[in-house]
Amino acid sequence: GNSVTQMEGPVTLSEEAFLTINCTYTATGYPSLFWYVQYPGEGLQLLLKATKADDKGSNKGFEATYRKETTSFHLEKGSVQVSDSAVYFCALTSGQAGTALIFGKGTTLSVSS
Amino acid sequence: NAGVMQNPRHLVRRRGQEARLRCSPMKGHSHVYWYRQLPEEGLKFMVYLQKENIIDESGMPKERFSAEFPKEGPSILRIQQVVRGDSAAYFCASSPIPTGGDGYTFGSGTRLTVV
Repeated sequence: GNSVTQMEGPVTLSEEAFLTINCTYTATGYPSLFWYVQYPGEGLQLLLKATKADDKGSNKGFEATYRKETTSFHLEKGSVQVSDSAVYFCALTSGQAGTALIFGKGTTLSVSS
Repeated sequence: NAGVMQNPRHLVRRRGQEARLRCSPMKGHSHVYWYRQLPEEGLKFMVYLQKENIIDESGMPKERFSAEFPKEGPSILRIQQVVRGDSAAYFCASSPIPTGGDGYTFGSGTRLTVV
C-alpha cells in the first residue's frame, strides 16, 4: 500500500541555518505530494504541494521538488526563522476524488535565535 | 469566514464513558474527514463523510467508534466505552469537493484524554 517515510526528529537549528527534512514515499500510480505544518496547539496547514513529477512546490521560502526517480519530496528552506518552529508532515494522496491523505509521522523543527 | 470549528478543544473522560467530538466544516463545505493523531505518530485517516452519508470508513475501528454528518448541524465522532488507548488528538478536515487532499482545511483538533 501507499506510505510515507520522514526523517526522525527533532531537528534543532540556529536562526538563518539551512533546513532539509527528508521525505520518501511508496505509492502506486501517480500520487500528489504535500507538506503540512502544525504549529503548537493548532491544526494542520497546507504548506506546499506538487501534483506531478518534477513539479516544485513553494511557499513562505520553503520548497520541495517531486522526484519520481528517487520517490522523494524533500522539504528545504535556505534560512530558517524562529517562527518556523513547528511539526512538519509529509503526505500523499492517490489523487482520486475522496481518497484520504496518508501522512508521515512528522518531524519537529526547533529554531533558536 | 470561520474555518473548521472543532469542539471541545480538550475532553477528559473516564474509562467506560462516551466521548462525543463535534466538527463544523467551513461554510459551503459538504465533505468531512476525521483523522486521529496518536502520540509521536502521524495522522491516520478514520472516516470520510458527505452530508448524511458515510463514504469511506476504512480507517475506523470496528467497535465503539461511529461517525455521522447529518443534514443539519455538525459532524459527530462518537466513541463509546472509551479506553486509555483512545487518548489522542482527533482532527477534522473539510473540503468543498471530493478532492484528493488539495482543498482540505483542518480544524484545531480535540485532544481526548482518558483517565
